[in-house]
Amino acid sequence: DAGVTQSPTHLIKTRGQHVTLRCSPISGHKSVSWYQQVLGQGPQFIFQYYEKEERGRGNFPDRFSARQFPNYSSELNVNALLLGDSALYLCASTLWGVSGANVLTFGAGSRLTVL
Amino acid sequence: AQSVAQPEDQVNVAEGNPLTVKCTYSVSGNPYLFWYVQYPNRGLQFLLKYITGDNLVKGSYGFEAEFNKSQTSFHLKKPSALVSDSALYFCAVSLLSGGYQKVTFGTGTKLQVIP
Repeated sequence: DAGVTQSPTHLIKTRGQHVTLRCSPISGHKSVSWYQQVLGQGPQFIFQYYEKEERGRGNFPDRFSARQFPNYSSELNVNALLLGDSALYLCASTLWGVSGANVLTFGAGSRLTVL
Repeated sequence: AQSVAQPEDQVNVAEGNPLTVKCTYSVSGNPYLFWYVQYPNRGLQFLLKYITGDNLVKGSYGFEAEFNKSQTSFHLKKPSALVSDSALYFCAVSLLSGGYQKVTFGTGTKLQVIP
């Protein structure tokens, strides 16, 4: 069975550009979360979507947005890129409904470099 | 607010020796506690979690963790370290907050097992 898949795996952008990252959850998983992992730090929560609705948002500016599609895949969009947006962006899916006890299954991530 | 502290950036241990990776947390209410492991250029993988009940939790690859409510700690342990255990380990606290799963990760501890 396929795990959580993310694309692209690596990308390089320049300041001010826009980026779209994609995530396909494990089949049957209806919740997708996005995390930003800056080098040397733990992942920071960006968004959680469940059944195509935004359920939670972390402390990130409005330049960050996301959506979930009817097939439960998701996109993370970042506008007006800054150097500080350079990070590994991780997508995680969970099987059950929204619960504090859910195990997150992560994809391998999309590594974004902003020059 | 919830927070997680991993006081050691790196832990070195000889192969075959027991290992401990420390984690303390701060949260209101009764949290769910997790350990995840990250190998180079990979996403995070679930090791184990504490929900309720027995304070000693057993997980994947021979790892276990001890929950101590009075010390607000959740240290990761393994009786005999393997070279293949060398990786980055993250402790996380999870709560259902405002309708979404709020997960806060520590900054990570690099485990180096020396042959």
